Amino acid sequence: GAGVSQSPSNKVTEKGKDVELRCDPISGHTALYWYRQSLGQGLEFLIYFQGNSAPDKSGLPSDRFSAERTGGSVSTLTIQRTQQEDSAVYLCASSQGRGRTQYFGPGTRLLVL
Amino acid sequence: DQQVKQNSPSLSVQEGRISILNCDYTNSMFDYFLWYKKYPAEGPTFLISISSIKDKNEDGRFTVFLNKSAKHLSLHIVPSQPGDSAVYFCAASVQPSYDKVIFGPGTSLSVIP
Repeated sequence: GAGVSQSPSNKVTEKGKDVELRCDPISGHTALYWYRQSLGQGLEFLIYFQGNSAPDKSGLPSDRFSAERTGGSVSTLTIQRTQQEDSAVYLCASSQGRGRTQYFGPGTRLLVL
Repeated sequence: DQQVKQNSPSLSVQEGRISILNCDYTNSMFDYFLWYKKYPAEGPTFLISISSIKDKNEDGRFTVFLNKSAKHLSLHIVPSQPGDSAVYFCAASVQPSYDKVIFGPGTSLSVIP
């Protein structure tokens, strides 16, 4: 079956521009996560959606970052006024719910020039 | 302040030998631990987990050991195979929700044929 997909796979943008990253979770998975991996760093938690509950946004690094999940499925992560330090791989994961294994997408590699 | 630490950024092992990847954590509330494996240009994939009520969990060539008093866990791979070459992330979470999983920075394992 289809796994978690993310688009685009690579994105190069100029400092100050806005970017949107998309995640299609596995069908039926109620939980969706966004992580960021900067060069040489571990996976940094950004935001978590679970069903219809309010998302856990505690990992978002600044108010330039936002995410939404429409219809309990597809999610978009938006970064406004991108900065060079936003360059990283952005990973999305989904799971069947609390306490379940997370399945990761291949990531979007963002480079801010 | 890293709550999950993997102090060895890289490790090289001869094919057929044992690979031992180490992980330390600081938060005594963590009670569920996971290992993920990541190949280049792919998302991490779940490998093995252990609950704090156990001190060992085995799955084929992979065994995870947990030492709660030392706040230390390790992943043993035996025998190591070239296909095991990847980045291994240690991760931890707190019951009962497992919603937020904290990842370590990863250890890059190279298995030399």
